[in-house]
Amino acid sequence: EAQVTQNPRYLITVTGKKLTVTCSQNMNHEYMSWYRQDPGLGLRQIYYSMNVEVTDKGDVPEGYKVSRKEKRNFPLILESPSPNQTSLYFCASSWASSYNEQFFGPGTRLTVL
Amino acid sequence: KNQVEQSPQSLIILEGKNCTLQCNYTVSPFSNLRWYKQDTGRGPVSLTIMTFSENTKSNGRYTATLDADTKQSSLHITASQLSDSASYICVVTGSSNTGKLIFGQGTTLQVKP
Repeated sequence: EAQVTQNPRYLITVTGKKLTVTCSQNMNHEYMSWYRQDPGLGLRQIYYSMNVEVTDKGDVPEGYKVSRKEKRNFPLILESPSPNQTSLYFCASSWASSYNEQFFGPGTRLTVL
Repeated sequence: KNQVEQSPQSLIILEGKNCTLQCNYTVSPFSNLRWYKQDTGRGPVSLTIMTFSENTKSNGRYTATLDADTKQSSLHITASQLSDSASYICVVTGSSNTGKLIFGQGTTLQVKP
């Protein structure tokens, strides 16, 4: 089944403890992206990747890192999480950035205490 | 500043009725506009994608229109069903060779029996 998977789905952590949220897609998509969704603010793009080893900042990249060492994986790294990073995170992928449908993962709900 | 604004913020309609959601954008240059449906706690699902040269696109009971001159789009839902209760998000891509997407805050639709 074609899908985007994220792990973990739920995570509660404490300030400053490094964490990684994984994202994997099995559709051979070039484009992958991370978003966060907060009440009243909607979805905001954190980072995106047009292809392997190519990443770029979205609207809210501060406090996050990403890597794209292989096509199927696009992990989101929080080196030193803070409470303002408590949010619902989505990963998405598509064939190309502009003209193709983006497939979203199920989301990761992160709470930073 | 590139922005996407949606109205109304929320909407309640009776099952079987039609409704129209609005999206205005100031993104320039413009590449394409997408409408997504997002059920509570789930990732968005694509409804339509339109380039600047397309005026209308349908997906079942969903019909999107685009006026690139006035930078306005609408999503019309015909014969609403209880399952249409969700958030509807308008997303604009500013240029064909960038992966940056600009999201509206969404319209929350509630369909009542």
